[in-house]
This record gives sequence, C-alpha cells and structure tokens, in this order.
Amino acid sequence: KQEVTQIPAALSVPEGENLVLNCSFTDSAIYNLQWFRQDPGKGLTSLLLIQSSQREQTSGRLNASLDKSSGRSTLYIAASQPGDSATYLCAVTGSARQLTFGSGTQLTVLP
Amino acid sequence: DGGITQSPKYLFRKEGQNVTLSCEQNLNHDAMYWYRQDPGQGLRLIYYSQIVNDFQKGDIAEGYSVSREKKESFPLTVTSAQKNPTAFYLCASIALLRGNTEAFFGQGTRLTVV
Repeated sequence: KQEVTQIPAALSVPEGENLVLNCSFTDSAIYNLQWFRQDPGKGLTSLLLIQSSQREQTSGRLNASLDKSSGRSTLYIAASQPGDSATYLCAVTGSARQLTFGSGTQLTVLP
Repeated sequence: DGGITQSPKYLFRKEGQNVTLSCEQNLNHDAMYWYRQDPGQGLRLIYYSQIVNDFQKGDIAEGYSVSREKKESFPLTVTSAQKNPTAFYLCASIALLRGNTEAFFGQGTRLTVV
C-alpha cells in the first residue's frame, strides 16, 4: 500500500527566505505527483503537477522536483512571503487514479 | 466558470440521522472522489467513481454510501452507522482519458455532530 510522508510537519521562517518542503513515497509506480496548498477551512488548490516522466515543474516562485526511483519530491519556494503561509500537501496518483496524500507541512512566513 | 461545487459549506447532524453532502462538477471529468480530513491529518479516501453507475470503496468506507447516477454528480451520504462523522469532507475530480490528470477539489463541507 502506498504511503506518503512529508517532512517537516511544521516550518516557520522569516520573510524573504528560500525554503524546501519534502515529500517521500514508498511505491515508485506512480502516475503523477501533485502539490497542493490549503488555507485554513478551505479546499485544496493545485500548485504543481509533475507527470511520472518529468523531473520538475515550475510556476512563478515555486519549483517542484520528482525523483521517482528514490521515491522523493521537493517543493522549493523562493523569496517567501507572508501570503505563502498555509498547509502544503503532497499527493501521488497511482495506476488506479487514486490519490494518496501526505499529512502536510504547515508553513508560517513571519513578516 | 468550470469547477467543483460542494454544498452545503456547513452541516450539522443529530445523533442517528443520515445526511447527504452534495458534489457537482462541470469539468466533464470522468472520475470523482470523496475524502475526509481530520485536524492535523492528511486526506483519507472514502469512495471513488471512475464511471457512471459504478463506484469503489476507499480506505474508510464504513458508515458512508455514495451514488453516481450522472457524470456531473457524486453525492455522499453519511449514515448513522458512522460513529465519528465530525470532519471536513472534500470532493475531487480528475479527467482520466486525457493526458492531463490534474486533480481539482471543491471548497469542502464541514460536518459537525450536535
């Protein structure tokens, strides 16, 4: 059974700092990996989708990488801002198109 | 605007009562999913459907039921058999037959037992 782990569980950084969130998964037979953002009491907003054949995706200040063979992905946030404060969730899609989620990293960016 | 609509946003259930959460999508997506989220935890899969009139149990299906009579709709019923239903419920959809399999989520329904 696929298991997804996110480290750290919580992170607090000063504004302007670059940061890395980590995601690992146990079964490398994935269809894709997706990073989401969740604000308190809200649904999930898709940030980046990496297909299994890709190594990375970029959107603005966000860059996500995927190393399928080692079962790892990282989300890099450049020049963090207080508006980036949220919970970031990683999910992998298996061959049955089911998403398996990690428990998330709660990010706080201090002004 | 295309998207997923969940209703209601807040729902209160009395002990022993069944309640139904609505999920509608106009993205023409094939697959739809229901997840439960508890505080400080990730999302756990309740049920999913990849085609009309067919659905599969997820990891925590006990005490829940679903139907998929239309491609656009995937309602979730929380039955009285679910002993701890207080949680945040999220619906998602994915297009299966196209190259982009990005998942989209609704804004969620918060269910509270009173």
